[in-house]
Amino acid sequence: GAGVSQSPSNKVTEKGKDVELRCDPISGHTALYWYRQSLGQGLEFLIYFQGNSAPDKSGLPSDRFSAERTGGSVSTLTIQRTQQEDSAVYLCASSLRGGSGNTEAFFGQGTRLTVV
Amino acid sequence: AQTVTQSQPEMSVQEAETVTLSCTYDTSESNYYLFWYKQPPSRQMILVIRQEAYKQQNATENRFSVNFQKAAKSFSLKISDSQLGDTAMYFCAFTVRGGNEKLTFGTGTRLTIIP
Repeated sequence: GAGVSQSPSNKVTEKGKDVELRCDPISGHTALYWYRQSLGQGLEFLIYFQGNSAPDKSGLPSDRFSAERTGGSVSTLTIQRTQQEDSAVYLCASSLRGGSGNTEAFFGQGTRLTVV
Repeated sequence: AQTVTQSQPEMSVQEAETVTLSCTYDTSESNYYLFWYKQPPSRQMILVIRQEAYKQQNATENRFSVNFQKAAKSFSLKISDSQLGDTAMYFCAFTVRGGNEKLTFGTGTRLTIIP
């Protein structure tokens, strides 16, 4: 596609339910990032995928959070047993060769998750 | 660990005027990049300007320029001839060169351009 695509755009879920958020990066981009933006805050790094390498999961806040990237393309962020503090905008970004410095990271429009 | 601080939660300026957004950062790294991102209501983060730490010259992109003071760890954004379309959240961000190059963001400045 022309840009990074995320779905759904908005998601309301009940506390305790599992949710899946999808990111479709720009074709050919090998690097993919997930960030979380809580209300009034900057973006917080969650996880990084680069090609076929093991992902960098150092930003995941708890074991309820997991992510996978299939075939080096589409990524899914899963939150199990959602809590109200998980309410945030989840943003995905991709870049061509890996890294946000040498190559520009392009962001999707995010998924706004609301846990009620 | 790296930190990025934006001390101006909100700013407003008249259309066509110049505005400067402040950003300071803290790091022990020597090889890094600094960025300003714009986030309009659509939520999509858009890269405004990028500065490589080893370059002395301040980056410019049309109406946008930075004042990069490496010793002071300061990285301000100047918007000249501000336009209504500049209204957005602006985030300062930092990444260390090499490794996963994840972005570390400040908490943002909400900029409103007044017609």
